[in-house]
This record gives sequence, C-alpha cells and structure tokens, in this order.
Amino acid sequence: DAGVIQSPRHEVTEMGQEVTLRCKPISGHNSLFWYRQTMMRGLELLIYFNNNVPIDDSGMPEDRFSAKMPNASFSTLKIQPSEPRDSAVYFCASARGNEQFFGPGTRLTVL
Amino acid sequence: DQQVKQNSPSLSVQEGRISILNCDYTNSMFDYFLWYKKYPAEGPTFLISISSIKDKNEDGRFTVFLNKSAKHLSLHIVPSQPGDSAVYFCAASDSGTYKYIFGTGTRLKVLA
Repeated sequence: DAGVIQSPRHEVTEMGQEVTLRCKPISGHNSLFWYRQTMMRGLELLIYFNNNVPIDDSGMPEDRFSAKMPNASFSTLKIQPSEPRDSAVYFCASARGNEQFFGPGTRLTVL
Repeated sequence: DQQVKQNSPSLSVQEGRISILNCDYTNSMFDYFLWYKKYPAEGPTFLISISSIKDKNEDGRFTVFLNKSAKHLSLHIVPSQPGDSAVYFCAASDSGTYKYIFGTGTRLKVLA
C-alpha cells in the first residue's frame, strides 16, 4: 500500500485566495483525521471522520475552514478565504483501530 | 488549554546514553497513550503505545512508562542512536473515541 497520500506537498498562495488540500487514506481504513502543525501549538486535530461521516469538527478554527469526505477514498480540507495565519503544515491521517497513519503533509504558505 | 504537555521543546543526548522524554496530561478520562516520531518533511510515525491498565510497555530500545496518579508518561530510549534524532510527539486519547490529543513535541538530538 502507498500509505496516506496528500496533495499538493507545498502550496503558496496569496491572502484571500481559496486553498484546497487533498487526502487519499489507506484502503480499508474507516477513520480519517485532519491535523494542523504549528510551532506554538504542535499538532492540533481539526476534524475527524468515521465511515465518511464527520464526528468531531470542534478543532476547526473558523468558518473559513471546511472539510468533506465524499467517499471512503478521498477527503478535502478547504480554506476560503485564506489568511497569513493559516500558514502551517497540514497532515491527513487514517486509521483502522487505534493506530493512526499519517501522510507526508502539505506545507501551506499564505502571503 | 493544552491537555497534553511536553514541557521540554528540545533535548540533546550523547550517543549510547539514555534519552528520556516526558509528557504530562490533565484529562483523567485519557486511558490510551502513544508516542510518535517525526523526521523533517515527513509525517509522524507511530512508535509505541500504552494502555492505562499497564504502567510499562517495552519494544526493543524503547520503553514507555505511565504514572496515572501523577498523570505523567515518559519515553526512554536506550541506547540512543544518531538515527533517533527527530521530533517526538506524545498523544493521549479516551479509548471510547478515536480522537488523539497531541503535545507540542520534543526535538531530540543524539550527538555522535
């Protein structure tokens, strides 16, 4: 298995633009998680899905952030409009059971 | 409000010596704990875990200790190797959910 796949690996955009991050979980995993990593706050859970259904989105910072999981093999995290303070590394992880497997992350820079 | 805290942002250890990474938590509902290791430009990878019914779990050079009364866990690496240089994240969960709460990480540097 290729593991969790995220795209793009790097994204540079200007303030106000829409950003869409993509994730393909490991086949057979029924849970999917979006995290944001910053120096100050470490790894923060933004949202997680179980069987494609959002279970907990209490970590989503603002209404500018939204996430979808239209099927078991694909999820998106969208920021609209983006702001410089959204600059961070965004990780997607999937799990079947207790262990979460992380993708390589998307480094987002908002100018 | 950090429910999981790693108070040491960095640690340097000589090769062959013991590395001890510490983690504190505040939520008494947490009953499952994990350590993840992260290299630059890669996602975190699972290292070792422990359930609250145990106070120690060992896997090769890695041992995790859990002190429930103190709400404290630690990761021991013996002997430390240069390849262990990475950022280590502690995570905790209530096993009734799939939700992990991560600490801010400790950057370990093992000096050759």
